Amino acid sequence: AQTVTQSQPEMSVQEAETVTLSCTYDTSENNYYLFWYKQPPSRQMILVIRQEAYKQQNATENRFSVNFQKAAKSFSLKISDSQLGDTAMYFCAYSGAGSYQLTFGKGTKLSVIP
Amino acid sequence: EADIYQTPRYLVIGTGKKITLECSQTMGHDKMYWYQQDPGMELHLIHYSYGVNSTEKGDLSSESTVSRIRTEHFPLTLESARPSHTSQYLCASSGFGKATYGYTFGSGTRLTVV
Repeated sequence: AQTVTQSQPEMSVQEAETVTLSCTYDTSENNYYLFWYKQPPSRQMILVIRQEAYKQQNATENRFSVNFQKAAKSFSLKISDSQLGDTAMYFCAYSGAGSYQLTFGKGTKLSVIP
Repeated sequence: EADIYQTPRYLVIGTGKKITLECSQTMGHDKMYWYQQDPGMELHLIHYSYGVNSTEKGDLSSESTVSRIRTEHFPLTLESARPSHTSQYLCASSGFGKATYGYTFGSGTRLTVV
């Protein structure tokens, strides 16, 4: 079974600085998809970024980018120019190419400090 | 603008009451999911459905039940609420085929049983 590990339960970053959230996963599959979700306090969980395992290029969405290391099974999220609105729980998730379900990590609580 | 709707947003109810948490989506997604989110914010899959008249229990045992009579509607019912049911409940859906594009989440229902 696939597992997703987020080793940082809580992190903080100064406004305008850069922060990296870690995620590792365990799988025997060669083709799969990885996601980062953001859940702001008392608000809807939204998809931040998605990575296809067969693409070597790291995904980027504005201030959010990933460092995808397939051999190391690592999928970290970098947030540049952190903003107060980035304060949220961040969940890393995995989906096998043949799966209907996502496997989530336990989450990292990020606080952006003014 | 949300494409998946959960009502109520907050609910405080007495022990022993029957409750139904509503979840509806307008995207025509065939797959829907219910997650229970514990105080540490970890997500636990309690029910899922891959189509009309198809429901399955998830990884976390739950006393709740679900139904899927219409594609767009996936309500969760507790026949007799107890304080141990106090939690946040998240509904999600995913589109056609495998979960390669992730889930869309509702805003959640925060349930408190007193």
